[in-house]
Amino acid sequence: AQTVTQSQPEMSVQEAETVTLSCTYDTSESDYYLFWYKQPPSRQMILVIRQEAYKQQNATENRFSVNFQKAAKSFSLKISDSQLGDAAMYFCAYRKTGTASKLTFGTGTRLQVTL
Amino acid sequence: GAVVSQHPSRVICKSGTSVKIECRSLDFQATTMFWYRQFPKKSLMLMATSNEGSKATYEQGVEKDKFLINHASLTLSTLTVTSAHPEDSSFYICSASSDRKEDGYTFGSGTRLTVV
Repeated sequence: AQTVTQSQPEMSVQEAETVTLSCTYDTSESDYYLFWYKQPPSRQMILVIRQEAYKQQNATENRFSVNFQKAAKSFSLKISDSQLGDAAMYFCAYRKTGTASKLTFGTGTRLQVTL
Repeated sequence: GAVVSQHPSRVICKSGTSVKIECRSLDFQATTMFWYRQFPKKSLMLMATSNEGSKATYEQGVEKDKFLINHASLTLSTLTVTSAHPEDSSFYICSASSDRKEDGYTFGSGTRLTVV
């Protein structure tokens, strides 16, 4: 079975600084998708960034980028120029390719942004 | 972008009654709907997967007779918590899958259920 591990229950970063959230996963599949979701206090799940395993290039979305290491099964999220609005729970997630395959979530990392 | 409308956002019900939660995909056809439960400060736990027009597939340990899922159309799925008890109090979230397999799925805004 696929598992997703987030080893950092909480992280803190100063405004305008950079922070990296860690995620590792376990799978026997060769092709799959990885995601980072943000859940602010409103509890609405927001897709931050996604990575397709067959693409070697790391995904980037504005201030958010990932470091995808397929061999190591690692998928970290880097947030640059952190803003107060980045404070939230961040979940790493995995799913196999194919339509309607289920998402497997990590346990989450709570990110605090300080002034 | 794709939007999933989930209602109600909050509901309080008496123990022993049933509560229905609706999720509607507003601008796309949701062929598959996932229902999650989330405890405070915890991750999302998948309860069941429903495909339009067929019976839902429940995860191990989830009581199918207590959590009734209906996915009668491509835009509407419902979760009914039957004979609710205080231990059913939780945050319930739906997530819809569209035809685009690369999508990270679209989530509803969640329903906070409190059973008193």
